[in-house]
Amino acid sequence: KAGVTQTPRYLIKTRGQQVTLSCSPISGHRSVSWYQQTPGQGLQFLFEYFSETQRNKGNFPGRFSGRQFSNSRSEMNVSTLELGDSALYLCASSLVVSSYNEQFFGPGTRLTVL
Amino acid sequence: DQQVKQNSPSLSVQEGRISILNCDYTNSMFDYFLWYKKYPAEGPTFLISISSIKDKNEDGRFTVFLNKSAKHLSLHIVPSQPGDSAVYFCAAEGGSNYKLTFGKGTLLTVNP
Repeated sequence: KAGVTQTPRYLIKTRGQQVTLSCSPISGHRSVSWYQQTPGQGLQFLFEYFSETQRNKGNFPGRFSGRQFSNSRSEMNVSTLELGDSALYLCASSLVVSSYNEQFFGPGTRLTVL
Repeated sequence: DQQVKQNSPSLSVQEGRISILNCDYTNSMFDYFLWYKKYPAEGPTFLISISSIKDKNEDGRFTVFLNKSAKHLSLHIVPSQPGDSAVYFCAAEGGSNYKLTFGKGTLLTVNP
């Protein structure tokens, strides 16, 4: 069974631009969560989608948004990029919502904002 | 406000000895705790979890202990192996807000 895939793996953007990251969950998984990992803050929860609906949301500004498609694939968008948005963005999928002990992570997208 | 704290950024242990990774939390609503392991260039992988109704959970070489009164949990790895070298994240969940709160991680190095 293929794992969680994230594209692109690496991305360089400049301040003020916007970016879209993509996540394909494990086949059959309907829940997708997004996390931001930085050296200073560690791993922080962004949001979780299940059946195309956002079920949970972390404490991030409105510049961070996401969506989920009918095939469970998810995208995350960050608008008006800031230097502090440089991070590893991780996506995780699970069969059902908030099933954290059965959550599988992708390798992440490394975003660098210059 | 760091609700889940891993106060040791790094830990170095000899192969075969015990590794003890610690985690403290402040939110008394947390009722489910997890440990994840992360290798460089890979996403975290789930290791072991514990519910607040238990004080110990074991899985092979890995044991998690929970002390609710102290709001403290620890992960014991016995015996430690070089392949255990990774960053370990503690995470907690609970209350009405179903989201995971992570600590900042502890880098474990197991020396041969």
